[in-house]
Amino acid sequence: GAVVSQHPSRVICKSGTSVKIECRSLDFQATTMFWYRQFPKQSLMLMATSNEGSKATYEQGVEKDKFLINHASLTLSTLTVTSAHPEDSSFYICSISGQGPTIEAFFGQGTRLTVV
Amino acid sequence: GEDVEQSLFLSVREGDSSVINCTYTDSSSTYLYWYKQEPGAGLQLLTYIFSNMDMKQDQRLTVLLNKKDKHLSLRIADTQTGDSAIYFCAERPMDTGRRALTFGSGTRLQVQP
Repeated sequence: GAVVSQHPSRVICKSGTSVKIECRSLDFQATTMFWYRQFPKQSLMLMATSNEGSKATYEQGVEKDKFLINHASLTLSTLTVTSAHPEDSSFYICSISGQGPTIEAFFGQGTRLTVV
Repeated sequence: GEDVEQSLFLSVREGDSSVINCTYTDSSSTYLYWYKQEPGAGLQLLTYIFSNMDMKQDQRLTVLLNKKDKHLSLRIADTQTGDSAIYFCAERPMDTGRRALTFGSGTRLQVQP
């Protein structure tokens, strides 16, 4: 299956700072990637769809100016949490889009963000 | 829109079978997935099934789909303590153009020795 790599796996930052999370597709050229968020003891919710070479599509209730997405190449999408607050502390995880039933089914290992 | 529901908790004894249930509301053709998430870890894809199938078996895992009732189940045979985790079902409809997955709330499986 497709390999998706995320970095970092864990990050702690101070309130007000920005944090960048990388999602890489290692063996598949992905024009589309997905970013999900998982709050403690909750399910995964789609935040946004990252499109290579164009603007990301955000789900309702997700602030695009706070969660900046850049998809500059077919193998890399980045999510930057700007001016982080403690309520942004969460598990962020990405996946890639492609043909067939299983491409979207593979996820990166996730990034646990803690804002202090 | 899609809605996926699961029971929150299941406790079984080691060696017994576990059955985790999921219901979904999307009426179109859809892919349905089962994931395992251990504490502090990411998502591990266990298996998936297309909505034109009734059953899929892979070693200790059996997926049953009742398309009429939109009910999906994951049966784990000979459950081990290492199976303790949260299990998510998810769906992706085929005809909406939406390729992201919609997840259920997750079922916490506790396996007692």
